[in-house]
Amino acid sequence: AQTVTQSQPEMSVQEAETVTLSCTYDTSENNYYLFWYKQPPSRQMILVIRQEAYKQQNATENRFSVNFQKAAKSFSLKISDSQLGDTAMYFCAFMTTDSWGKLQFGAGTQVVVTP
Amino acid sequence: NAGVTQTPKFQVLKTGQSMTLQCAQDMNHEYMSWYRQDPGMGLRLIHYSVGAGITDQGEVPNGYNVSRSTTEDFPLRLLSAAPSQTSVYFCASSYSWGQGNSPLHFGNGTRLTVT
Repeated sequence: AQTVTQSQPEMSVQEAETVTLSCTYDTSENNYYLFWYKQPPSRQMILVIRQEAYKQQNATENRFSVNFQKAAKSFSLKISDSQLGDTAMYFCAFMTTDSWGKLQFGAGTQVVVTP
Repeated sequence: NAGVTQTPKFQVLKTGQSMTLQCAQDMNHEYMSWYRQDPGMGLRLIHYSVGAGITDQGEVPNGYNVSRSTTEDFPLRLLSAAPSQTSVYFCASSYSWGQGNSPLHFGNGTRLTVT
C-alpha cells in the first residue's frame, strides 16, 4: 500500500518569510508523480506544483519550489516571500502512472501567514 | 470552459434519506473520480472510472454507488445516508496517462451534512 505522511498539522509564517512543509511517502513503484495542492478557505483544490519521479531536477513555480529526495522518499515544499494569500491548507499527493487518476493524499498542513 | 461542475454546493440530509451528488466535466476527460475530505485525513478515494461504462472502487466505497453512462457525467449516489457520511465531497477528472499525464482537475466540492 502507498502512503503519504505530512507530519506538520499547522505552520505559521510572517509575510515575506519562508516556510517549508514536509512530506514523506512510501511506495515500491518506480514510475510516479508527486504533487502539492493548495486549498484556501474557498475549498477549491489548486495545483501548486508537481514533480516527476524520473526527473532529478527539483520543480519550481514562481515562489514555490520542492526538494525531492527520491532515495529518502521525501518531497518538501518551500514557499518563499510568503503572502497573505498563501494562507491555506496544503496537501501532498502521490500518483503512479499505472494508477493515473487515483491520487493518494496526505492529511494536510494548515499554513497561516501573518502580517 | 466550465471545467468540473459539482452540484449541489451544500446539502443537509436526514439519516436514511437518499440523494445523488452530480458531477459533470466538459474537457472530454476519460478519468473521473470521487473523493471525500474529512478533518485530519486528507482526501480519500471513494470510486473511480476510466471511461464510460467502467467503474471501480477506491479506498472508502461502502455506502456509495456510481455509474458512468457518458464521458461527461459521473454521479455519486448515497442510497441510505448515515451520519458517518457527513463530509466534503470532491469530484475530479483527468486525461489518461497516455494523453499527456495531465493532473487532476477538481470541482469546487459539496458539503454534505447527515443528521
